[in-house]
Parts: sequence; structure tokens; C-alpha cells
Amino acid sequence: EVQLVESGGGLVQPGGSLRLSCAASGFTFSSYSMNWVRQAPGKGLEWISYITSSSRTIYYADSVKGRFTISRDNAKNSLYLQMNSLRAEDTALYYCARPVAPNTNDGFDIWGQGTMVTVSS
Amino acid sequence: SYVLTQPPSVSVAPGKTARLTCGGNNIGIKTVHWYQQKPGHAPVLVIYYDTDRPSGIPERFSGSNSGDTATLTISRVEAGDEADYYCQVWDSSTDHRVFGGGTKLTVL
Repeated sequence: EVQLVESGGGLVQPGGSLRLSCAASGFTFSSYSMNWVRQAPGKGLEWISYITSSSRTIYYADSVKGRFTISRDNAKNSLYLQMNSLRAEDTALYYCARPVAPNTNDGFDIWGQGTMVTVSS
Repeated sequence: SYVLTQPPSVSVAPGKTARLTCGGNNIGIKTVHWYQQKPGHAPVLVIYYDTDRPSGIPERFSGSNSGDTATLTISRVEAGDEADYYCQVWDSSTDHRVFGGGTKLTVL
């Protein structure tokens, strides 16, 4: 079964750091670009980061650029999001998402269940 | 940055046709993807590349894209179609993925 499972969320104080993980299974992870998408409580979807299969190309939304770092370990079939200098507005459910076809700008047909990040003192 | 505009809500009676719009500057030259999200669940891709349906998505779901508006059409609407729907594009000028604000579909 093709699956993505996020972990690493939790409660963190403003200014703190957190590292999210996304474990992939059931497909050739090393062939696919990957994305992180978040959703604040009661709000819409917000794309935040993209990484190609080789990690050669990375993009960030302006809202997280300079604070978040996306990475991956193809040997471990895992995607990561290092989040630093966290703010209250980063409070959201964080999803990893895979496009329909490898290294394309397709829609995201595989999503994890999400991991919740709460930034609060 | 590229902006996608969706009406916050659309209501439709069961058995009728729902048309959900997604507006953007010259969106017709971009490829649009649509997602359905039910409360407490991750989004589900229902249309990609303007008109393609992933396996398992009913033929009642279709898409179109021209000019400044993309449209997700749901025919013979059922109670189970009640959900939030989001459009999404790839903005080639920034290489960012962009989501619309979402439309809540209510089945009367």
C-alpha cells in the first residue's frame, strides 16, 4: 500500500524548533519530488516547501523561507522539515504530499494523515 | 505572487449540478488540480491537469479551464460530496505551488 506517515509534531514555545518526519512506503520514494503542505485550524491549505528527488532543487513559500529547511534521505525513504524560529502563526497540521508522477508539477495524489504543530507559550 | 480566488461557499440540492470556480489571471494557460477535503481527513485529489480523474474518482467529477476561470463540475450531486474543495496550480514564475482559499460545498 502506498503510504505517507508524518511524525514529530507537538507543542513548542515561540522561537523554538521542531523537526518533522515523513516516512514513505509502497512506492519508489527516490524517484519522486515531495512537498510539505500545512493547514492552520479552520483555515485552508498552504503549500510551504518542495524538494526534487535528488534534493538538487528546493523551494519555499515566502512565509517560511529562511526559517524552515526541507531535506530527504532516500536510503531511509524519509522526508524531513526542520522548523526554526517558530511563530504562533506556524500553528497548523502539517502534511507531506506526493505528486501523481515522479518529479512533475502534477497534483498531489498521496497525502499523509498530518502531524499537528502548536506554537504557544 | 499568483493568487487563486474561490467563492467561500456554494450550495446545491441533491441530484443537481454544482459548479465550483477558481479564478486567476490567465489561469487557462496553467494546469489546475482540484482537491476534496472532508472534516478530519487529508485532502483527496479529484481532478488533475485540468480534466484528468485519478482512479477511483467518479465520472460525476469533471474539470475545465479557460481564460481567467477554472471550474470543477460535480454532476448528480450526492450528500457525500459535501466537503471543502481547493484548486491548486504551479506558478512557473516562482516555482511555487499555490492553493485557492477553498469553497465549502453544502448539499441542501
